[in-house]
Amino acid sequence: DQQVKQNSPSLSVQEGRISILNCDYTNSMFDYFLWYKKYPAEGPTFLISISSIKDKNEDGRFTVFLNKSAKHLSLHIVPSQPGDSAVYFCAASQRGGNEKLTFGTGTRLTIIP
Amino acid sequence: DTGVSQNPRHKITKRGQNVTFRCDPISEHNRLYWYRQTLGQGPEFLTYFQNEAQLEKSRLLSDRFSAERPKGSFSTLEIQRTEQGDSAMYLCASSLGSGYEEGYTFGSGTRLTVV
Repeated sequence: DQQVKQNSPSLSVQEGRISILNCDYTNSMFDYFLWYKKYPAEGPTFLISISSIKDKNEDGRFTVFLNKSAKHLSLHIVPSQPGDSAVYFCAASQRGGNEKLTFGTGTRLTIIP
Repeated sequence: DTGVSQNPRHKITKRGQNVTFRCDPISEHNRLYWYRQTLGQGPEFLTYFQNEAQLEKSRLLSDRFSAERPKGSFSTLEIQRTEQGDSAMYLCASSLGSGYEEGYTFGSGTRLTVV
């Protein structure tokens, strides 16, 4: 039962262009969403989060959009840089649920110089 | 404080042996989580501590698995009678409060290989 889905296993983007990573979820009880970035041999690193009461949150080059009716969120990175090449995980949580995270399977982003 | 520390980084063990992993969270963090990640998958929740109390265990955590967090500081995860299916990356994370705004801080993980 995959409650958080990232349907694109990989994505290649030219340096300087926009990278858009997508995530869908099925559990309507999720009310907080987070994006993590992972380099090989390291643990995931937190990037940005969004509460279900918002539809957009920005932090520098990173913007997360949430469409609750579609149960869809996306992470926009602009401009994309070579250091952004990593695996990106979408995660969801339910308040009052011990804040445990349910992760998607990840999207490998490659930035082409 | 340099973040969440996990030891060992790698462990190779024979099937049937017991293994124990250690996690040292960020000192002021009261919440500690264990996750497991297998190839091609995202991390999966195993268990959660608030201070020294273990408040939730996943169904993934069979009776061969046990976790402790004595005195609400470091935590250990023990796997008894290891099986090849236990081969995975075991990740520890900690947070102060819910972790929603700042996210959890993950360690680099312990990679277990059961042969």
